[in-house]
This record gives sequence, structure tokens and C-alpha cells, in this order.
Amino acid sequence: QKEVEQNSGPLSVPEGAIASLNCTYSDRGSQSFFWYRQYSGKSPELIMSIYSNGDKEDGRFTAQLNKASQYVSLLIRDSQPSDSATYLCAVNRAYQKVTFGTGTKLQVIP
Amino acid sequence: EAEVAQSPRYKITEKSQAVAFWCDPISGHATLYWYRQILGQGPELLVQFQDESVVDDSQLPKDRFSAERLKGVDSTLKIQPAELGDSAMYLCASSRKGTSGGTDTQYFGPGTRLTVL
Repeated sequence: QKEVEQNSGPLSVPEGAIASLNCTYSDRGSQSFFWYRQYSGKSPELIMSIYSNGDKEDGRFTAQLNKASQYVSLLIRDSQPSDSATYLCAVNRAYQKVTFGTGTKLQVIP
Repeated sequence: EAEVAQSPRYKITEKSQAVAFWCDPISGHATLYWYRQILGQGPELLVQFQDESVVDDSQLPKDRFSAERLKGVDSTLKIQPAELGDSAMYLCASSRKGTSGGTDTQYFGPGTRLTVL
């Protein structure tokens, strides 16, 4: 079992729709959770971090964390073509290295 | 806005040659990370520094890779000799020293795309 699992996609959504990206992790002691966006050929860019169960909103982005289910998700409202990228989920526990998933490729269709 | 600097942005080399990458973290960030990212995969940690000390180099192929951060600021990652399988994006990231529990947020530089022929 991979430590951090993501569906590789591509996930295709029409412009203006909600994109839902999911991530599961195996280490029940994980404490910090991050979502990064990576455009093709570029480096990862932090979108959001979340540490507590529940939802955290930032503009069009909402991160959702459920530690009991070992599940973290990212919702993108009003998806735009510029949101087309690979989204990386990253997880760690205190004093341990951050582990990245392989990413989900999102395609927003105009 | 402060950024992590890396150079070169692109490097093409022949196998068995030596290559070196440089990283300058965000000012005030005590923790520096080197990652390797193969196409289609997530970043894999090679080495982590806290100031000038190595915290984690468990995934660094020490027979050919070396990393240093002598003054606890900028860092160099070296590969000698390079192999075909080393072709990848090499990413540097930095974060502020973590407080009680949890890793602080990492910010990535633009990366170095290495191609080994």
C-alpha cells in the first residue's frame, strides 16, 4: 500500500464546474496535509495546508480533512482552464519527512 | 515576495560526467530540502538540512550523490558520475524551522531539469 494515494486521472471537468480531488494516506499519525499545484514542466506551488478535521476555505479552493477515514480532498469551485494542472497531495507527521502522492491531472474543458 | 532560487534551470550532460546544482532558500528559512521528481511521479526527498546539519539523507544514493550546506544558507547537490537514470527534475525547497510538532510549509524553487545522455 502506498503511503499517499491519488487517482492519476486525468480528471476532466467543464469550465465553471466543481472539481473534486481526493487523497488517502496510510499513516494514521499524520498531522499535516498539503495540496500543491504543478503546471507541466514547472515546480510545485502551495495551494493550501490543513491540520484539523473539517473544511478550510481559501477563495475558490476548499480543503477537507477526515482523519478517521484517513482522507483529504480539495474542491475547486468555478473551475477555470487555468486550473488545468497536476495536483499533488502531501502528508507528514511530526518530525518526519513529507510524503507526496503521484498527483492527479486535472483538465478543465472550456 | 521572497523565492527559492535554483541554478541552472536546465542541464544536459553525458553519462559518467559530474554535475552540480545550487539552491538559495528563502531568507530566514532554516530547513532546506532537495527532491528528485521523475516524470509522472511525486517529488521524492533526497536530503533534508536543518541549518548546516543533515537531518535525513536516507534516500540519497551516497555512492554518487553528495550534498552540502556549509554555512547553513545556500546548498549544493552534486552527482558524480551521472547515470542515464538520473534524468529528472531536481527541486529545492525551504521552510521556516518548525515549532512544536508538524513540518512547516515548504516552498519550492523553479527546479533544475537534468538530462543525461
